[in-house]
Amino acid sequence: RKEVEQDPGPFNVPEGATVAFNCTYSNSASQSFFWYRQDCRKEPKLLMSVYSSGNEDGRFTAQLNRASQYISLLIRDSKLSDSATYLCVVKGGDDKIIFGKGTRLHILP
Amino acid sequence: EAQVTQNPRYLITVTGKKLTVTCSQNMNHEYMSWYRQDPGLGLRQIYYSMNVEVTDKGDVPEGYKVSRKEKRNFPLILESPSPNQTSLYFCASSSNDPSSYNSPLHFGNGTRLTVT
Repeated sequence: RKEVEQDPGPFNVPEGATVAFNCTYSNSASQSFFWYRQDCRKEPKLLMSVYSSGNEDGRFTAQLNRASQYISLLIRDSKLSDSATYLCVVKGGDDKIIFGKGTRLHILP
Repeated sequence: EAQVTQNPRYLITVTGKKLTVTCSQNMNHEYMSWYRQDPGLGLRQIYYSMNVEVTDKGDVPEGYKVSRKEKRNFPLILESPSPNQTSLYFCASSSNDPSSYNSPLHFGNGTRLTVT
């Protein structure tokens, strides 16, 4: 099992729809989890941290499921500007920071 | 403005010609790191530094060198570049432990390197 796995997509979603994607991680000792957003050929930028109790930031909701070892990102009322690649980031038990390969999201007008 | 600055943005070079990609941050961050990003392989860490004069290998350090003589600068050195080092490179920094929720990674704009 890969350390951090994401469905590469692409997810093609109509504007205004709700979309969710997951990221699974293999190391049960992982402590910290993040979602980053990366636009084509640009640098990754932090979207949100993922807290144990789940957290929300506007249209974005992040959840952590330690028992099943996955994190999720939910985007409500999707906008054209949400089109990007979403990277799952996990801090492993050995202090390594591991990036998933990303999930591509295309919001369709 | 708080930022991580990489130079150059684009570089085309030939096999074996030594090159340096500079990285500088103005946020007084202790932690700095270099990544390469290739299609289908995602971001892979090359080297990282927890503080001045402290550097460690990441997942793909072969063919690269780094130095951390000053807190703000973390140059990436390719002593003898080869075509398999053609890639998109990112420098990143954060305060203290990058896993902390209060210290996310800040990335530079990237350097697209082509080695022929």
